[in-house]
Amino acid sequence: DAGVIQSPRHEVTEMGQEVTLRCKPISGHDYLFWYRQTMMRGLELLIYFNNNVPIDDSGMPEDRFSAKMPNASFSTLKIQPSEPRDSAVYFCANSRGGSTDTQYFGPGTRLTVL
Amino acid sequence: GDSVTQMEGPVTLSEEAFLTINCTYTATGYPSLFWYVQYPGEGLQLLLKATKADDKGSNKGFEATYRKETTSFHLEKGSVQVSDSAVYFCALMEYGNKLVFGAGTILRVKS
Repeated sequence: DAGVIQSPRHEVTEMGQEVTLRCKPISGHDYLFWYRQTMMRGLELLIYFNNNVPIDDSGMPEDRFSAKMPNASFSTLKIQPSEPRDSAVYFCANSRGGSTDTQYFGPGTRLTVL
Repeated sequence: GDSVTQMEGPVTLSEEAFLTINCTYTATGYPSLFWYVQYPGEGLQLLLKATKADDKGSNKGFEATYRKETTSFHLEKGSVQVSDSAVYFCALMEYGNKLVFGAGTILRVKS
């Protein structure tokens, strides 16, 4: 298995532009998590899905952020419009089950908003 | 709310030295506890975990024991290698599949 695949690995955009981050999860892993990592705030959970359904989006910072999981093989995190303070590394993670099952992290997308 | 506090880094050690990275937590109940490791340019990897008091998690020579009385989960390794250089995150999970991470501790091992 290739593990969690994220694209792009690096994204540089200008303020106000729409940004879409992509995640291909591990087959058969029913939980999908989106995290953001910054120097100031560390690692934060933004949202997670179970069987493609959003369960908890309380970590999504504001309405500019949205996440979808149209099927078990694909998820997106969209920022529209982007702002410089959105610059961070965004990770997608999967687990087979919930609770204490191991979360497998993708390599991350480094987003820079100018 | 739940929180995790880790010792500040960077921690710099010589090869074969003993490693301790302190981690304490605040939670309302009895969370599960984790150590994750992040190598440069990569995502996090689970290193070890413990789900109840007095459990010891271990992997690759690393160990941590869940101490309820001191709300701690300190990471130890008897002899570090240069390849152990990474960022180490302590985390807890109490409710709803949500991991709460500490700030991370940078470990640098010199040969």
